[in-house]
Amino acid sequence: EVQLVESGGVVVQPGGSLRLSCALSGFTFNDYTLHWVRQAPGKGLEWVSLLRWDGSATSYADSVKGRFITYRDNSRDSLYLQMHSLTVEDTALYYCAKEMFGTKWSAFDHWGQGTLVSVSS
Amino acid sequence: QSALTQPASVSGSPGQSITISCTGTSSDVGSYEFVSWYQKHPGKAPKLIIYEASKRPSGVSSRLSGSKSGNTASLTISGLQAEDEGDYYCCSYAGYSHVVFGGGTKLTVL
Repeated sequence: EVQLVESGGVVVQPGGSLRLSCALSGFTFNDYTLHWVRQAPGKGLEWVSLLRWDGSATSYADSVKGRFITYRDNSRDSLYLQMHSLTVEDTALYYCAKEMFGTKWSAFDHWGQGTLVSVSS
Repeated sequence: QSALTQPASVSGSPGQSITISCTGTSSDVGSYEFVSWYQKHPGKAPKLIIYEASKRPSGVSSRLSGSKSGNTASLTISGLQAEDEGDYYCCSYAGYSHVVFGGGTKLTVL
């Protein structure tokens, strides 16, 4: 069974840093591109970043580019989102999501339950 | 990277059909067949219901269908049921390894 389990969300002060984790199981994650998607309170879904299936490239939304870094640790079967210079606009439930097919974009077929990041003084 | 445009809300009575539109640009919806739709209930993770504009994943009801024409994609739900109530999001590949979501549509079953 495919599972994605996020963790690491906490309350953090503006300007702070935080690392989110997404534990992956039930599939060979080297074969799939993985993404982070967030949902601010009362708002819609917003794509945040991706890490290509072969680890060769990352991509980021303009709203987080230069502040967030996504990477994986094969030895720990985990995806990470390192976040810096956090602002109140980064307050959201953060999901990791798996692409449906291995080497071409199609859709997100599995999602985690999310981890809540709250940026507040 | 502007969000795709969806109506904020739609409603229908049980048994009726509704359609949710998703309008993008020639840089996203208009250029790729990679439009997907997600159903989201409060406190739950999004669920994939349509991919590649018109394909249904295994297990998704045939009452749900998708289409795309030009820069606009559409999700149609026929034979509305109470369980269909929730938020619906469209999503499109936007080139250069970017993805964009719609603002979401709240479906109310009257």
